[in-house]
This record gives sequence, structure tokens and C-alpha cells, in this order.
Amino acid sequence: NAGVTQTPKFQVLKTGQSMTLQCAQDMNHNSMYWYRQDPGMGLRLIYYSASEGTTDKGEVPNGYNVSRLNKREFSLRLESAAPSQTSVYFCASSEARRLYFGPGTRLTVT
Amino acid sequence: AQSVTQLGSHVSVSEGALVLLRCNYSSSVPPYLFWYVQYPNQGLQLLLKYTTGATLVKGINGFEAEFKKSETSFHLTKPSAHMSDAAEYFCAVNSNSGGSNYKLTFGKGTLLTVNP
Repeated sequence: NAGVTQTPKFQVLKTGQSMTLQCAQDMNHNSMYWYRQDPGMGLRLIYYSASEGTTDKGEVPNGYNVSRLNKREFSLRLESAAPSQTSVYFCASSEARRLYFGPGTRLTVT
Repeated sequence: AQSVTQLGSHVSVSEGALVLLRCNYSSSVPPYLFWYVQYPNQGLQLLLKYTTGATLVKGINGFEAEFKKSETSFHLTKPSAHMSDAAEYFCAVNSNSGGSNYKLTFGKGTLLTVNP
């Protein structure tokens, strides 16, 4: 089992550019999540998907969109990147109230 | 609503000393509580969790935490720190009553430094 995988690992964008962060899990979990981690802020939930075909906003959804492509895959899109979106992004899936995290994507917006 | 407060953004201990990382929570219903650990440049890993039953929970790497409802606390301890314990630790709470959607609210994290 690979668990939760994320691509890319690192990305540098210019302000206004768009990109999609990819996430996949092979544990057959129904729920998937996108968090961002910033120094001193802990992890904040951007969007989540309780099951295939559903998505909902979390704590900090502005500037992001998501797609639950199928049960395995949950992508996060930045339509017009801003410096405030410089962060480390973590995807996670869950079972029995336990989160399984991917390795993260470190995104810098200049 | 649920929230988590971790007291102390940075804790420094000597190798062999007691580790105590503090976490207080707020929840309108009986909570599920978690500690996650993050090593440098890695994702988060579950250290331990409290759901129901015994209030003293044992986790990996010699860590344990005690759920104290009267104090709304879930402090993490380890009797003797090891250099490999240096990491950032996150407390989290989940108060959802059920279903497959388990949104966790995380604290801001405590960075543990272990000095030789």
C-alpha cells in the first residue's frame, strides 16, 4: 500500500498562475481532506469530501476549488495564485476517525 | 463548535527528562481526541487517540496521554525523552456524532526540542 500520495512535492508559481495539486489514496477510504499548514497556525481545513461525488468547504476555502474525481482521487485547484497561498498543503483520508496524511506539497507563490 | 489550545509553541527538554506537552479542548459533545507527530519535512502521523473507555491512552514510542473531562485536557507525556522525539506535536479534537465525515480541528502545534 502506498497510502496517500501527493504530486508535486514542490512547486513555485507566479502570482496569477493556476495549478492543480493531485492526491490519491489506495486504502478505499470514503472521506478525503485538504489542509494547509502555515507556521504558528497549525493545520487548517480547506475542503473535504465525505464521499465520492460530494465536497464541502472547510475553514479557509477562499481561492481554492476541489474535485473528487473518484473514490481514490481528490484534487485541489488554485485558479489564480496569490502570495498568501504560499504554504504546505496536505491531503488526507480517514477511517474510524483517524486521518492518514500524504507527504505534502510545498508551494511558493512569488 | 470545537477548538484546541496547545500551551507553549516550543518546549525544550534534556535527553532523559520528562516530556509534558499540554492540550486543552473545547467541545459541546463528548470529544474524540488525538495527538499527531510531524517529523521534519514529513506528513503527520498518529501518535495516539482517545475515543471512549480508559482515560489513560498509550501510544507509539512510549508516549501516553490522559483524558481529564473535568479539566478539558488531554496532555501528552513521556517519562524519558530521546533525541529522536524531536518533532512538532499537534493535538486535535473531533466532536462529530457519527458518519464517515470526521473533521478534525487541530491546535497550532508544539515544537519539541531535545538537548543532549
